[in-house]
Amino acid sequence: GENVEQHPSTLSVQEGDSAVIKCTYSDSASNYFPWYKQELGKRPQLIIDIRSNVGEKKDQRIAVTLNKTAKHFSLHITETQPEDSAVYFCAAFPVMFSGGYNKLIFGAGTRLAVHP
Amino acid sequence: NAGVTQTPKFQVLKTGQSMTLQCAQDMNHNSMYWYRQDPGMGLRLIYYSASEGTTDKGEVPNGYNVSRLNKREFSLRLESAAPSQTSVYFCASSAGTENTGELFFGEGSRLTVL
Repeated sequence: GENVEQHPSTLSVQEGDSAVIKCTYSDSASNYFPWYKQELGKRPQLIIDIRSNVGEKKDQRIAVTLNKTAKHFSLHITETQPEDSAVYFCAAFPVMFSGGYNKLIFGAGTRLAVHP
Repeated sequence: NAGVTQTPKFQVLKTGQSMTLQCAQDMNHNSMYWYRQDPGMGLRLIYYSASEGTTDKGEVPNGYNVSRLNKREFSLRLESAAPSQTSVYFCASSAGTENTGELFFGEGSRLTVL
């Protein structure tokens, strides 16, 4: 089955700096890669996702890149702000269109701290 | 606009006791999931239900059972709780269609087994 590794486990940056979180996956059949943000004591929420037919996707200050050959994908946050402080999870799995479900496998998470 | 609602939010059990975590969604989603979250281990899938009437094991199913009562509700049962089941449990749902893979999570249930 799929295995997702995420690095680093903790990341500390100054406000305004960029932050990069990297994930690798094992199943070459995986074609859907979402990122979730979990603020302290809250539920995880989707912030961005990418499918395998796209190499990069941006949404304002966040972007995700995908390298299918190397089986890794990354989350990039530019101009970080204190409200970006949270735990970020990557995930991967084949999207089962016929089955109609997403059996996502998550990475262990990265705790990002943005210092003013 | 409730989304995914799970109860209880907090529970303390003694080893060997049983309990059921309840989950309901009002988004007419086909698929529902139960995850557990432990420090340093991310979110691990316990069981999922692709559609009403079907359930299947995830990564860590041992010690748990589930019931997809109807399209809205998906419950998780611990028959004989163990300290290793101390965790935060999240229920989630998704539309289960080709165009979106987003999971919508409940607020979580913190379970402590003594």
